[in-house]
Amino acid sequence: SQQGEEDPQALSIQEGENATMNCSYKTSINNLQWYRQNSGRGLVHLILIRSNEREKHSGRLRVTLDTSKKSSSLLITASRAADTASYFCATVADPYSGAGSYQLTFGKGTKLSVIP
Amino acid sequence: DAGVIQSPRHEVTEMGQEVTLRCKPISGHNSLFWYRQTMMRGLELLIYFNNNVPIDDSGMPEDRFSAKMPNASFSTLKIQPSEPRDSAVYFCASRRGLDQPQHFGDGTRLSIL
Repeated sequence: SQQGEEDPQALSIQEGENATMNCSYKTSINNLQWYRQNSGRGLVHLILIRSNEREKHSGRLRVTLDTSKKSSSLLITASRAADTASYFCATVADPYSGAGSYQLTFGKGTKLSVIP
Repeated sequence: DAGVIQSPRHEVTEMGQEVTLRCKPISGHNSLFWYRQTMMRGLELLIYFNNNVPIDDSGMPEDRFSAKMPNASFSTLKIQPSEPRDSAVYFCASRRGLDQPQHFGDGTRLSIL
């Protein structure tokens, strides 16, 4: 079953605007990761945030994590046409919760379209 | 640095044929993953190796699917016999450590006619 659930499923914005995508999950996690997938390509890792972290930045990306609400958000500021892609969150379960090995569980993604 | 290399990039074959997908992980990475991606089911983990040993194959759909990792630099995913419902994009990924990000290949787009 899917652990991460992204919201919205699709998002269309104008170039220069900010894009916010949300992810909810169900079980205790060790870390949460965001990936981008361009059409016809593999997934590219963007950012990893651990369960004891609340916010992380990387260039125009900002990720927040709220473990009490079991949710995360990815903010892309000043979007560009090249940001058009699908974005996935993926969780690694807390091994001490009995949820199993350090494998990623992916959501179904948010399809972002940035219009020039 | 070379990334994860998958071959072939595209495969079209008739049902009943054997299909072999290949993956070369990034050197120094000790975990390898095989995923399948479809519109209906999204990205599904098929099998996961750690230090060449299969750790979790609960995602392998049925006995027609098998995966091997004979050494740290090569893995195969085999489907025999193939069926049209196996049509999907198959990704291989590798990572350096247990809580490190995964690096994906560009996938094999498989079409079974």
